[in-house]
Amino acid sequence: QQQVKQSPQSLIVQKGGISIINCAYENTAFDYFPWYQQFPGKGPALLIAIRPDVSEKKEGRFTISFNKSAKQFSLHIMDSQPGDSATYFCAAVPNSGGGADGLTFGKGTHLIIQP
Amino acid sequence: DAGVTQSPTHLIKTRGQQVTLRCSPKSGHDTVSWYQQALGQGPQFIFQYYEEEERQRGNFPDRFSGHQFPNYSSELNVNALLLGDSALYLCASSLVAGDETQYFGPGTRLLVL
Repeated sequence: QQQVKQSPQSLIVQKGGISIINCAYENTAFDYFPWYQQFPGKGPALLIAIRPDVSEKKEGRFTISFNKSAKQFSLHIMDSQPGDSATYFCAAVPNSGGGADGLTFGKGTHLIIQP
Repeated sequence: DAGVTQSPTHLIKTRGQQVTLRCSPKSGHDTVSWYQQALGQGPQFIFQYYEEEERQRGNFPDRFSGHQFPNYSSELNVNALLLGDSALYLCASSLVAGDETQYFGPGTRLLVL
């Protein structure tokens, strides 16, 4: 059972455009939603994260939008650059009250930014 | 400040063999989690170690076992290797008294023939 569904599987965006990746979850116990960026041959790197008590979080060109009632969240990359070409994963983790529990990941989105 | 390190970077084994992968957490971190990432998929949680004990476990068989040492480093052991165990194995570290942020290492690429 896939608890975090991510779409699209792949995405091509022109340089300077907006890249949008969507995720939906089922487990209402999830309390922390990070996005990771992964380049070929590398481990995932934390990009930005959000908790359900806010509807939006922005860091530079990256914005997370969160809809708690719909159990959906999305990543927006503004002014997309060729260096943003990578695989992006959304993830979720429940609040167990003590540090980081095991993350549940989406299947990933392969993003290509065309120059 | 060294990040999460893993060894070896690549490994080739045959079916039925056993393998041990190693991880050193980010400086100051006390918790280590292991993930399996099959080609083209998202990482899947195997288990997590804290205070030298398995704190949490994902849906993986007993062939997957681990260990954490007093210096917080960790090992992942896989017995009776199957072709399907071929994957990138990722280690992530965190702080149990901190937030939920996990920092990943570069991974070990395991190929089972």
